[in-house]
Amino acid sequence: KQEVTQIPAALSVPEGENLVLNCSFTDSAIYNLQWFRQDPGKGLTSLLLIQSSQREQTSGRLNASLDKSSGRSTLYIAASQPGDSATYLCAVESNFGNEKLTFGTGTRLTIIP
Amino acid sequence: EAGVAQSPRYKIIEKRQSVAFWCNPISGHATLYWYQQILGQGPKLLIQFQNNGVVDDSQLPKDRFSAERLKGVDSTLKIQPAKLEDSAVYLCASSLRDRGYNEQFFGPGTRLTVL
Repeated sequence: KQEVTQIPAALSVPEGENLVLNCSFTDSAIYNLQWFRQDPGKGLTSLLLIQSSQREQTSGRLNASLDKSSGRSTLYIAASQPGDSATYLCAVESNFGNEKLTFGTGTRLTIIP
Repeated sequence: EAGVAQSPRYKIIEKRQSVAFWCNPISGHATLYWYQQILGQGPKLLIQFQNNGVVDDSQLPKDRFSAERLKGVDSTLKIQPAKLEDSAVYLCASSLRDRGYNEQFFGPGTRLTVL
């Protein structure tokens, strides 16, 4: 059974700093890994999707990396802004069954102006 | 491109009452998912449809939850009767399910409070 862990549960950093969010998963047999952002009371917004054959994906100030062998992914946010404050969730699509996503519990990020 | 639509956005009911949620996926997306997100947790898949058919409902409490997807487009999720522990956000998502690239897009969710 796939399990996804995100540590820390909450993180506060001053505006302008670069930061890294961590995600680990127990079963390396995955098709892809997806990072989402969730604002309070809102649904999930897809940020980046990394296929199993890829090692990283970039979108603007965001960079996500994937190391399947070690069961880890990181989301790097450069030059953080107050608008980046949200909960960040990672989810893996396992390489068996019906391709369902298994989510972590998220990291609640607060950028301090 | 219009996103995934859900209604209502909020619902408050008393335990043992019934409630229904509606979802309209992104046009052309064959796969539709319903997730339950309890406060402080990640979303948990309840049911997955591929067109009209159910692909996975292994985590759906079938004694009280039901879902259907008519004509392979819109979907409804029903709870009857509701329990206190059903208080959560119910998220609908859809995807093209192109093998190897299954990016899921989520709606805004329905926040259910059971009193």
